[in-house]
Amino acid sequence: QSVLTQPPSASGTPGQRVTISCSGTTSNIKNRYVYWYQQVPGTAPKLLIDRDTQRPSGVPDRFSGSRSGTSVSLAISGLRSEDEADYYCAAWDDSLSGWVFGGGTKLTVL
Amino acid sequence: QVQLVQSGAEVKKPGASVKVACKASGYTFASFPIHWVRQAPGQSLEWMGRLTGGSGNTKYPQSFQGRVTITGDTSASTAYMELTSLTSDDTAVYYCARGEGSSDWYGFDYWGQGTVVTVTS
Repeated sequence: QSVLTQPPSASGTPGQRVTISCSGTTSNIKNRYVYWYQQVPGTAPKLLIDRDTQRPSGVPDRFSGSRSGTSVSLAISGLRSEDEADYYCAAWDDSLSGWVFGGGTKLTVL
Repeated sequence: QVQLVQSGAEVKKPGASVKVACKASGYTFASFPIHWVRQAPGQSLEWMGRLTGGSGNTKYPQSFQGRVTITGDTSASTAYMELTSLTSDDTAVYYCARGEGSSDWYGFDYWGQGTVVTVTS
């Protein structure tokens, strides 16, 4: 059971906009930066969204992060086949004094 | 460019220990922490601890206390993660990742390629 809660799956057709949610508590998401990682099966995770809303160099502006209280969301617009991957949210947890992750969301491009 | 290159796959027997290396390049090793994260087959990511490159200071989650040791060799820009008393539940891909800031709550910006550790009798 992951500390951060994500939907196990999401899907969309090419060109659509998809959002993936991640909910937590006051000891993690509410008071700490949230990070999003993209993982293509068989490869290492890659930083997709830095410090809630920042896109690292090379990440298309189709990807965006937002937050509201103890929940955050990752939005992907103009969906493309290469976006098919697993997406994880992560944050530092003050109560556990450690990093916690969501269970991951498998995105399928139909 | 920043790169983290990990040592190769390992096969271990239950009760044994494993030590995985992570060689950093493209930046000053002592200036950024190194974290270790593992991923069991079909599962999410699990944080195992971090090493502050310059001081050698470490932090581990309660779930791994006493079983994991993270060390570093600044002269070789290499971090190591040793896990003892292995069981089949430790079969996973082990990743090292660079922390983007000196405080623990800053996330991981670069990742190693992963090291598969298989525990089997």
